[in-house]
Amino acid sequence: AQSVTQLDSHVSVSEGTPVLLRCNYSSSYSPSLFWYVQHPNKGLQLLLKYTSAATLVKGINGFEAEFKKSETSFHLTKPSAHMSDAAEYFCVVSPPMDSSYKLIFGSGTRLLVRP
Amino acid sequence: GAGVSQSPSNKVTEKGKDVELRCDPISGHTALYWYRQSLGQGLEFLIYFQGNSAPDKSGLPSDRFSAERTGGSVSTLTIQRTQQEDSAVYLCASSLYYRDTQYFGPGTRLTVL
Repeated sequence: AQSVTQLDSHVSVSEGTPVLLRCNYSSSYSPSLFWYVQHPNKGLQLLLKYTSAATLVKGINGFEAEFKKSETSFHLTKPSAHMSDAAEYFCVVSPPMDSSYKLIFGSGTRLLVRP
Repeated sequence: GAGVSQSPSNKVTEKGKDVELRCDPISGHTALYWYRQSLGQGLEFLIYFQGNSAPDKSGLPSDRFSAERTGGSVSTLTIQRTQQEDSAVYLCASSLYYRDTQYFGPGTRLTVL
């Protein structure tokens, strides 16, 4: 079965310092992987997606993620945090053999950015 | 352009009542999904519609839940005889075609008293 594990439920960083949100996936096949962000009382917004074209994926707002098959990881990074990055982040997998392409969400990581 | 819209944004109901939640996908999108976000279960898939094909209902938690999509556009999620554990945010997403990026609506927050 396909699944994702987000290793940290909460991450706190100071504004201007790097962000690292960790995600490991479980998949028998090469999966499609995503990061979504959810700001308070807002809908989910796609940050970036990996679909096997390139292992380093660049997304919106300066975020990027690297697909590492040997480590089954897809960690999200940003060089310098901004106050507006405070939100909940979800690592998501879509099983490649699934006919509906439904998304399977991790449990989420809440990012706090300190001034 | 217009994104996915959902109504109502908030719904408070009494246990045992039926509720209907509505989703208007992005115009032209053929695929539509319903998800549920709750404190205990996180974000979970409920149901998927693609064009005129039979829906994938594998995520519906009980037979009290049903959904339809009329004319390949608007979708309604119906919960009959609501229970307190149905309290959650119900999210709708649409994509241009199968395997394309899913765009989410703002959700409907359902509270069952």
